Formats: sequence, C-alpha cells, structure tokens
Amino acid sequence: QQQVKQSPQSLIVQKGGIPIINCAYENTAFDYFPWYQQFPGKGPALLIAIRPDVSEKKEGRFTISFNKSAKQFSLHIMDSQPGDSATYFCAAVRGAGSYQLTFGKGTKLSVIP
Amino acid sequence: DTGVSQDPRHKITKRGQNVTFRCDPISEHNRLYWYRQTLGQGPEFLTYFQNEAQLEKSRLLSDRFSAERPKGSFSTLEIQRTEQGDSAMYLCASSLDLWRAGELFFGEGSRLTVL
Repeated sequence: QQQVKQSPQSLIVQKGGIPIINCAYENTAFDYFPWYQQFPGKGPALLIAIRPDVSEKKEGRFTISFNKSAKQFSLHIMDSQPGDSATYFCAAVRGAGSYQLTFGKGTKLSVIP
Repeated sequence: DTGVSQDPRHKITKRGQNVTFRCDPISEHNRLYWYRQTLGQGPEFLTYFQNEAQLEKSRLLSDRFSAERPKGSFSTLEIQRTEQGDSAMYLCASSLDLWRAGELFFGEGSRLTVL
C-alpha cells in the first residue's frame, strides 16, 4: 500500500516557468513532510519541509502549500532554471518516536532553456 | 570531505553470494539510517540506529539482511545469499539529535547488481 502518492511522474517546463508537484497521503499520523531533490548519481538532498499546522512555507524559490483537510501538499518552484532539473520526492514521517520516512515515487523535472 | 561516505560505490555479484556495504556518517551525527532505492522509485526505509542501538527495522529487512553499528560510529549492511531482486541502490543517511525526524543527510549510495 503506497502511503504517499506523488504526481506527475515527469514534468517538462520552460525556463522561468512554475512547475507544481503534488502529493497526497493517507496516514493521518504523519506529522512532518519534507521534500528531497535528487540529481543523477547522487543521494537525495533535503530541500524544504513543512509541519501540518502550517499552510505555506517559502524558502527562496521553493514553496510548499499544505492542505491538512484534503491530506494533500504540493511543491512550487518559482522562476525555474535548467539547474533545477532533477527528481523531486515528497515524503512523510510519522511522529511518536518513529524516524521512518515514507517517500513518494518521485517526479522527474526537466527545465528547458 | 565531511559528508556521508559509502563504500563500495558499485558492487556486482553473482546470485547466492554475500555482500557487505559500509557507511561512515558525518562524525557528529548520532542517528544513522539505511534505505534502498530501485530505479524509478523513491527510497524505502530499511533500518535506523540511534548511536549503536538499532531502534527501527522495516519488514523489508528479511532474515538475509543484517545491519550493525558497533560503537555508534560506522555501520555495515550485509546481505546474505543475494537474489536478483536485491539489485538496487543502498543509501545511507545520518542526522543529528537536534534535527526533526525526516531531516536526513544522504550519502551517494552503493549500487548493487546481482547477476
């Protein structure tokens, strides 16, 4: 059972566009939602994260929007650049002492000049 | 280099052989994690250590898999009697006590190919 569903699987945008990646979760025990960025041949790197009591968080060109009632959250990349081309993973972690991250399947983003 | 170091980076083995991967976390990090990632998928949790204690294990971690972290420093992940389905990238990550659960620093991974 996939606990974090991510879409789309791939995304192509032009430089300067605003790609949006969506995730939905089922387990209401999840209490922290990080996003990771992964370049080919590298391990994932933490990008930005949000708690469910916050509706929006911005860090630089990256913004997370969170809808707790719908159990959905999304990543927006403002003024996207070719260097943002990577695979993006949403993830969720359950509180109560668990440190197990549950990842979505990933979105491969290509930003074309 | 002060990142998470994994060795070997690539391993090709025949089915039935045993393999061992090593992870050296960032020196001050007391939490260490192993994840497995197959092509086109997100990483899947395998196990978690707080210092030398193994506190969480996934049901994915079958009896053929064993992980250790002696003395709370480096960690090893051993796979016995490898199967073709074990072919994947094995990722190690570490974190500080002060960080929130879910905030990890990943290494570049050890890619296993089982023939």
